[in-house]
Amino acid sequence: EVQLVESGGGLVQPGGSLRLSCAASGFTFRSYWMSWVRQAPGKGLEWVANINHDGSGKYYVDSVKGRFTISRDNAKNSLYLQMNGLRAEDTAVYYCARVPLLIAGTYYYYYMDVWGKGTTVTVSS
Amino acid sequence: DIQMTQSPSSLSASVGDRVTITCRASQSISSYLNWYQQKPGKAPKLLIHAASSLQSGVPSRFSGSGSGTDFTLTISSLQPEDFAAYYCQQSNSAPWTFGQGTKVEIK
Repeated sequence: EVQLVESGGGLVQPGGSLRLSCAASGFTFRSYWMSWVRQAPGKGLEWVANINHDGSGKYYVDSVKGRFTISRDNAKNSLYLQMNGLRAEDTAVYYCARVPLLIAGTYYYYYMDVWGKGTTVTVSS
Repeated sequence: DIQMTQSPSSLSASVGDRVTITCRASQSISSYLNWYQQKPGKAPKLLIHAASSLQSGVPSRFSGSGSGTDFTLTISSLQPEDFAAYYCQQSNSAPWTFGQGTKVEIK
């Protein structure tokens, strides 16, 4: 069964740090890009970061650049999100998602087809 | 950044109704548009990718269309399990962005 399981969330004070993990199983992890997406309480979805197959390419939403770092360990089938300098507005459920690539002619389609159940991060004093 | 605007933000409909949700991009995104369904307390679920390709296992009552800046998600006959929030998302360029969501409620 294809599965993603997030962990590492919790309560942290403003300015603090957390490291989220996402354990993948049931598929060839090293063949896929991966994403982190978050959802603040009562709000919509916000894409946070992407990482390519081997970790050489990383992309972030502006609001987390310089504070968050996405990484992966293909030997451990794991994705990570190191979050530093946390702010109240980072409070959210954080989801990891698998990102397949569909190539159709000259078009390269990316989408998020498998999601974990999420881990909750609360930033508060 | 590409802004994605969905309409309506919410709608009330009855079982069996045909429902259409619109998503507009602030610039052309070709067909790099995906649709997700999210039920309360659950992770999002992929419905449609590449604007009109139905994800495996998703019922055929869901369909997507459009290209460029204007896209639609259609549910041909609303079922009880379809009451949820729906989000469009562009993957044309980073940062990937979502629409604000459309909540489909029971009339």
